[in-house]
Amino acid sequence: QVHLVESGGGVVQPGRSLRLSCAASGFTFSRYDMHWVRQAPGKGLEWVARIWYGGSDKYYADSVKGRFTISRDNSKNTLYLQMNSLRAEDTAVYYCAREGRVPDWGQGTLVTVSS
Amino acid sequence: QSVLTQPPSVSGAPGQRVTISCTGISSNIGTGYDVNWYQQLPGTAPKLLIYNNSNRPSGVPDRFSGSKSGTSASLAITGLQAEDEADYYCQSYDYRLSGSWVFGGGTKLTVL
Repeated sequence: QVHLVESGGGVVQPGRSLRLSCAASGFTFSRYDMHWVRQAPGKGLEWVARIWYGGSDKYYADSVKGRFTISRDNSKNTLYLQMNSLRAEDTAVYYCAREGRVPDWGQGTLVTVSS
Repeated sequence: QSVLTQPPSVSGAPGQRVTISCTGISSNIGTGYDVNWYQQLPGTAPKLLIYNNSNRPSGVPDRFSGSKSGTSASLAITGLQAEDEADYYCQSYDYRLSGSWVFGGGTKLTVL
């Protein structure tokens, strides 16, 4: 059974950094591309970033390009999202998700950017 | 503004049938990419409802069905129940974004 557990969320001041993690289990992590998706309070879903299964290729939404970095450690079955220069508009629940014919999602972690 | 277009809201009485549309363009749904549908209850993570246009994961009632034609997709819910009241999102891919995910803006289903 696929299990994705996000962690690392919290309250952070504007301009600061935060790193999210997503621990994966129940499947061969190194064989799947992974995504980060976020949802601001009361808003819809917004795709954030994607990383290929081997980590060689990465893609970002324009809203986070140059500030966020997606990475993975296949030896630890863990996905990461390094978020720098955070803004109030980055406040959201962040979900990690597995690419595939039948996508799987985690339960999310809340990031609040506020002074 | 979302890449895929959904109606902001739909409603129906218990037992009725409702449909939710998801409209894209040639660079996403129209180019042949599959469409997935998610149901999101308040305060919870999105739950996969339909994958690859018309397939249901195990445990999803057959009251839920999906279809795709051209640049659009649809989610149909028959025999509407109170617990179906939720937000529904469509998701596909777009080659302008190197095949990464794109979403509809979401549709709020109200069971009258």
